[in-house]
Amino acid sequence: DGGITQSPKYLFRKEGQNVTLSCEQNLNHDAMYWYRQDPGQGLRLIYYSQIVNDFQKGDIAEGYSVSREKKESFPLTVTSAQKNPTAFYLCASAAPGRPYEQYFGPGTRLTVT
Amino acid sequence: KQEVTQIPAALSVPEGENLVLNCSFTDSAIYNLQWFRQDPGKGLTSLLLIQSSQREQTSGRLNASLDKSSGRSTLYIAASQPGDSATYLCAVQYSGAGSYQLTFGKGTKLSVIP
Repeated sequence: DGGITQSPKYLFRKEGQNVTLSCEQNLNHDAMYWYRQDPGQGLRLIYYSQIVNDFQKGDIAEGYSVSREKKESFPLTVTSAQKNPTAFYLCASAAPGRPYEQYFGPGTRLTVT
Repeated sequence: KQEVTQIPAALSVPEGENLVLNCSFTDSAIYNLQWFRQDPGKGLTSLLLIQSSQREQTSGRLNASLDKSSGRSTLYIAASQPGDSATYLCAVQYSGAGSYQLTFGKGTKLSVIP
């Protein structure tokens, strides 16, 4: 079955540690996105990538980094510079020419203590 | 900067009732508007997409309308069921931002009581 997978579903880290969230898709989509969702809030865009080896900052990129070495994969690293990393992180992808039709993964809930 | 507002933040209705969720946006220069459903702790599922040239879209018991000039959209759910309980998010793609970005509202949490 085609889709987007995010792992792990739950992630716990100590403050000051970097952590990498995985996002993989087998939909052959060019574009991929990372969003952050806080309780009672809408989604905010962290980074997006329209093509392999290229990515752009979204609205809240500070304290995060990404890479796009393969079409299928768009990992997100939450660095120790991110002041409030505890949140629900969602990955999405979109087909060429249809960037508004984003397909979302199941999300990773990150808790930093 | 585009802002998307959803009212009410939460809504509780008895099963079988028809209901309307509201979404407003500040910049009318939009490409499209989408309604998403999110179950607790899950990702988003797209329900309806309305292009800027369209007035409404329908899927089963769901009907979404768009009035660009007033910056408003509504999601109408007919004959609500307990399985409709979820958070409904509105998102717009607009020409003022990077063309691949969606701007989301905070959502309306719907509870349908059996």
